[in-house]
Amino acid sequence: DSGVTQTPKHLITATGQRVTLRCSPRSGDLSVYWYQQSLDQGLQFLIQYYNGEERAKGNILERFSAQQFPDLHSELNLSSLELGDSALYFCASSGGLDNEQFFGPGTRLTVL
Amino acid sequence: GESVGLHLPTLSVQEGDNSIINCAYSNSASDYFIWYKQESGKGPQFIIDIRSNMDKRQGQRVTVLLNKTVKHLSLQIAATQPGDSAVYFCAENKENTGFQKLVFGTGTRLLVSP
Repeated sequence: DSGVTQTPKHLITATGQRVTLRCSPRSGDLSVYWYQQSLDQGLQFLIQYYNGEERAKGNILERFSAQQFPDLHSELNLSSLELGDSALYFCASSGGLDNEQFFGPGTRLTVL
Repeated sequence: GESVGLHLPTLSVQEGDNSIINCAYSNSASDYFIWYKQESGKGPQFIIDIRSNMDKRQGQRVTVLLNKTVKHLSLQIAATQPGDSAVYFCAENKENTGFQKLVFGTGTRLLVSP
């Protein structure tokens, strides 16, 4: 158990819908990272937050957004969902800007 | 169920053998490299890391080798056990940028037979 929690574990929704994925980092970790893992793209970095501020962006679509709240938990919002958004979404946390990342168990999103 | 691509390179070994998993990285400016292990239905788990000022680093039963000349990274697992069966990813990063933006390789599936 990495100490990072993600909810929900599974999510099934329809195209065009919007969903919110939640992540709670390890106690004391200030950085939160979001990754997408799909069959054809592998594990891809989406976005990083540090102490509430966005720090780095990867291949994140404009339909996706994220935020980190004062209690350091983070949410990833996915809107206008498409079939191709079906994937595993992982959250990771670390203590600082360049420390080891600890991954959560992931949220499996299925878009029908 | 499995969370990674169906066409991953696969390494099949017998229990007790030594395993070597290879990775080619893309960015010559990358100076920090990590190996992750991902078991079915779980998130990636840190195994070992290495910085570019080193060419070898050892952990418990694992060794990472870095060849910057050819941009190649390898993970050696000694006395492989059935519990080592998983998908292994290398990841690279350019440090000292104020953030960690890992770029992951495609992964190698390790199958260990008893």
